[in-house]
Amino acid sequence: EAGVAQSPRYKIIEKRQSVAFWCNPISGHATLYWYQQILGQGPKLLIQFQNNGVVDDSQLPKDRFSAERLKGVDSTLKIQPAKLEDSAVYLCASSKDYRWAGDNEQFFGPGTRLTVL
Amino acid sequence: QQQVKQSPQSLIVQKGGISIINCAYENTAFDYFPWYQQFPGKGPALLIAIRPDVSEKKEGRFTISFNKSAKQFSLHIMDSQPGDSATYFCAAKNEQTGTASKLTFGTGTRLQVTL
Repeated sequence: EAGVAQSPRYKIIEKRQSVAFWCNPISGHATLYWYQQILGQGPKLLIQFQNNGVVDDSQLPKDRFSAERLKGVDSTLKIQPAKLEDSAVYLCASSKDYRWAGDNEQFFGPGTRLTVL
Repeated sequence: QQQVKQSPQSLIVQKGGISIINCAYENTAFDYFPWYQQFPGKGPALLIAIRPDVSEKKEGRFTISFNKSAKQFSLHIMDSQPGDSATYFCAAKNEQTGTASKLTFGTGTRLQVTL
């Protein structure tokens, strides 16, 4: 079974530029998550999708961050414009269905390391 | 109330020794407590998890001890090996809300197992 795929793996941009990350979850997984992991901290959930709908985006800085999962499979996360404090690893994860307590392990991709100069 | 506090920040253990990482939580609605292992350049991977109906869960060399009254749980790695060198995160969530229930992660413990 293929894991969660993410691209690019690394990205360096100047502040105020735009950047986009792509995620392909495990086949058949209905729930997709985007996390931000700042160096030395645990992952923080930015947004959670169930199929193509948003379930939780309470911690997404909506003035600059956006995300979509139009067909309920792949997802993109965009930052526009980027700030220095956005430097972090952006992790994508997927699970079968967040509503299934007891059988909802989250599988993480390798992440995209973003450096904003 | 959503915080999960993790200690120590870093840990050096000799090969064959016991590694112990501790976490404390505040939200009494949390009912699922997983531990994740993360190697450099990789995403976190679920290592072991416990629910509050038991006080201990063991899988191979990894054991979670859970103290509901103290709102604390810990990871014990017995016979630590150099291959265990990684960052470990505790986490917690409420699985019973019926709505979006997000994992709240600790700040991580960087474990180094020396020869």
